[in-house]
Amino acid sequence: DIQMTQSPSSLSASVGDRVTITCRASQSIYTNLNWYQQKPRQAPKLLIYAASSLQSGVPSRFSGRGAGTDFTLTISSLQREDYATYYCQQTYSTLYTFGQGTKLEI
Amino acid sequence: QMQLVQSGPEVKKPGTSVTVSCKASGFTFSSTSIQWVRQARGQRLEWIGWIVTGSGNTRNAQKFHERVAMTRDMSTNTAYLELSSLQSEDTAVYFCAADINGGTHFDSWGQGTLVTVSS
Repeated sequence: DIQMTQSPSSLSASVGDRVTITCRASQSIYTNLNWYQQKPRQAPKLLIYAASSLQSGVPSRFSGRGAGTDFTLTISSLQREDYATYYCQQTYSTLYTFGQGTKLEI
Repeated sequence: QMQLVQSGPEVKKPGTSVTVSCKASGFTFSSTSIQWVRQARGQRLEWIGWIVTGSGNTRNAQKFHERVAMTRDMSTNTAYLELSSLQSEDTAVYFCAADINGGTHFDSWGQGTLVTVSS
């Protein structure tokens, strides 16, 4: 299976900060990567697909970059509603896998 | 409006099986890909498997070997996840998620179904 490693596992930041989360794949996944946001007691929400495409309805302060094995999710100016856990998921292999998550806290 | 509605919470004894349903509305079920994901309390998301509704093709994580079965009923726009030989470690919230175009753009999610395995 392709292993996905996120860093950091947790992150403290303030409203207005620029935040970047990294996701690394154990082998090339080209751009077959999704980013999700999950808030407590809610289902995940798709933010970014195909590594850099912004899902409809998602604020433009979210952006994704990368290809191959290294990917980033950036929030350009953190808002209070962005405090959540973020997951990457590779969909290159037919056996999809998630990163371990990054918890974004105040 | 695209929507996935999952079945209600379940309490099961170890060694038994559970079936979770995921009913789709507001979109064509004919060529949808659906993935199943679970999450134990306070833990990470764990991918279980996927099914393509049109073909019925499935693939699941090796961890589940032959314990998992994913099916669909095209007449009711419903996908099913059956997990057998349940153990306490299977206690989790189970989610379904769909890409209506049969790809990996999983933008519609069910509300989650809590499965509790306890003797």
